[in-house]
Amino acid sequence: GAVVSQHPSWVICKSGTSVKIECRSLDFQATTMFWYRQFPKQSLMLMATSNEGSKATYEQGVEKDKFLINHASLTLSTLTVTSAHPEDSSFYICSARDHAGTGRPEEQYFGPGTRLTVT
Amino acid sequence: GDSVTQMEGPVTLSEEAFLTINCTYTATGYPSLFWYVQYPGEGLQLLLKATKADDKGSNKGFEATYRKETTSFHLEKGSVQVSDSAVYFCALSDPPNKYIFGTGTRLKVLA
Repeated sequence: GAVVSQHPSWVICKSGTSVKIECRSLDFQATTMFWYRQFPKQSLMLMATSNEGSKATYEQGVEKDKFLINHASLTLSTLTVTSAHPEDSSFYICSARDHAGTGRPEEQYFGPGTRLTVT
Repeated sequence: GDSVTQMEGPVTLSEEAFLTINCTYTATGYPSLFWYVQYPGEGLQLLLKATKADDKGSNKGFEATYRKETTSFHLEKGSVQVSDSAVYFCALSDPPNKYIFGTGTRLKVLA
């Protein structure tokens, strides 16, 4: 089946530094990838949609200058949390849509998530 | 806006017990409904889906019926196993590719 990986799975960084999270589709090509954020005991919230080769589309309330998204290839999207602060500590999950799919919503495959802790 | 509400966990059951995880939704359109499962250290996996009213999704012994009149999509399984221990997410999609998730319910099944 379709597999999406994320790296790192867990990261701790100091306040004010930047951290990059990678999302890779391992056995399929993904023209579209999605980034979600999950706070403890809360829902996954969609942050942004990234399309290969173009700028990401951010959801309302998400700071695009703080959460930089790059989708430079059909198998890789990166999320960079710039000048991280403790309130950015969260669980970040990506998903990727199969380029060869029919467009049905369930053809989104999720990564295992990255837990970010900012001290 | 659209939303999904699911029961808080954790839910702890003995093996072979009956499982129900409640999920209700609000939506302005006609969403598709999903249950996803997340095993420890893995990504969310689609468990089952239903795309219109009265549809029943089923997979691996789990079932859920799209009830438009009660705006519900409760997950059920007749006899749970230890291997079913995971976090279960109810979600809707409206429009397609835009998911709204519930908060997740952790299930722990004891041998």
